Amino acid sequence: DGGITQSPKYLFRKEGQNVTLSCEQNLNHDAMYWYRQDPGQGLRLIYYSQIVNDFQKGDIAEGYSVSREKKESFPLTVTSAQKNPTAFYLCASSVGGWDTGELFFGEGSRLTVL
Amino acid sequence: DAKTTQPPSMDCAEGRAANLPCNHSTISGNEYVYWYRQIHSQGPQYIIHGLKNNETNEMASLIITEDRKSSTLILPHATLRDTAVYYCIVRVAKDDKIIFGKGTRLHILP
Repeated sequence: DGGITQSPKYLFRKEGQNVTLSCEQNLNHDAMYWYRQDPGQGLRLIYYSQIVNDFQKGDIAEGYSVSREKKESFPLTVTSAQKNPTAFYLCASSVGGWDTGELFFGEGSRLTVL
Repeated sequence: DAKTTQPPSMDCAEGRAANLPCNHSTISGNEYVYWYRQIHSQGPQYIIHGLKNNETNEMASLIITEDRKSSTLILPHATLRDTAVYYCIVRVAKDDKIIFGKGTRLHILP
């Protein structure tokens, strides 16, 4: 089945460690996104990518990094510079370009910093 | 910042229609209205979108006012499974910086 797969679903990390969250899609979508969600809050945009080898910062990019070497993959690294990394992270994709289609979301990765 | 304003929470009796409002007074002519919902600890799910005409699909109806400054999502016969946070967003067709607000938490009461 087509869709977006995020892994791991749960992740624990010690302070000062970098961690990479995986996001893979087999929908042949050009655009991919990373959002962060804190308890009781909406989604905040971290990074987004419209095409391979290109990405832009969202509203809260500090302390995060991404890469887009392949169309189907958009991994997010939470670096030690991120001051409060404990959160629920959501990856999404869409057809992109002039399409008015919807975002497809993964099931999320919950990161806890110990 | 999000371009939409929604009430933080609403209640609806099971079996009744749930009407969720959204204000988007600064919407521009080429911006679409989208609705998503998020059931606890899952990824958001697309519901419906529209530009200026009312839209209906198997999940819901979207009513957009003539001036396009507000819209209403209608779930015609709410069930307990419709309990979720509902997000209204506006975006242009080629806008990849898609911003979500805090949404409306809908409680369906048995």
